[in-house]
Amino acid sequence: DTAVSQTPKYLVTQMGNDKSIKCEQNLGHDTMYWYKQDSKKFLKIMFSYNNKELIINETVPNRFSPKSPDKAHLNLHINSLELGDSAVYFCASSQDWSALSPLHFGNGTRLTVT
Amino acid sequence: GQQLNQSPQSMFIQEGEDVSMNCTSSSIFNTWLWYKQDPGEGPVLLIALYKAGELTSNGRLTAQFGITRKDSFLNISASIPSDVGIYFCAGRRSYNTDKLIFGTGTRLQVFP
Repeated sequence: DTAVSQTPKYLVTQMGNDKSIKCEQNLGHDTMYWYKQDSKKFLKIMFSYNNKELIINETVPNRFSPKSPDKAHLNLHINSLELGDSAVYFCASSQDWSALSPLHFGNGTRLTVT
Repeated sequence: GQQLNQSPQSMFIQEGEDVSMNCTSSSIFNTWLWYKQDPGEGPVLLIALYKAGELTSNGRLTAQFGITRKDSFLNISASIPSDVGIYFCAGRRSYNTDKLIFGTGTRLQVFP
């Protein structure tokens, strides 16, 4: 199936640990994103990459480091996890960076930090 | 930071009723999108609007790009139980490099 897929779907870990979330899209899109959805369901952009280049980096702690090995993949590594990092993280992609390209989302990774 | 305000925050309606929700901003947006999120899944695009005043339908859904460019509306006609979910508006302020900002969401519950 053509889609944006992210793994794992659930991630439970302890404070202080380092974890990664992987994302892959097979839609042939140039642009990929990471969004964070908090407990009130508010969606906020974290990062965006266009053709493997970082183009948006919102005010996210530098414990969060995205990596795009190629334009079909955008992984998110998080160091020294904190309780406040608990949220659902969504990967998304769009054809390109223009406003005419809607975002297509993965099904999310629910991160719980204990 | 910039936020889009959606209202109502939640709606409880009976199957067969029509639904209206809106999204407002204090600044001008050049693109408006409407998404639906089911539990445990990511948002799915419903309708995209690119021109002020544009009215676009997708089945029982109709969305409009407000003429002031500071708002957008989504209507659902003859609601059915599978319409349950959270509806998000989203917008971009410029046509080129700008992030997609999401609204606060409208949670819809449909009772049979």
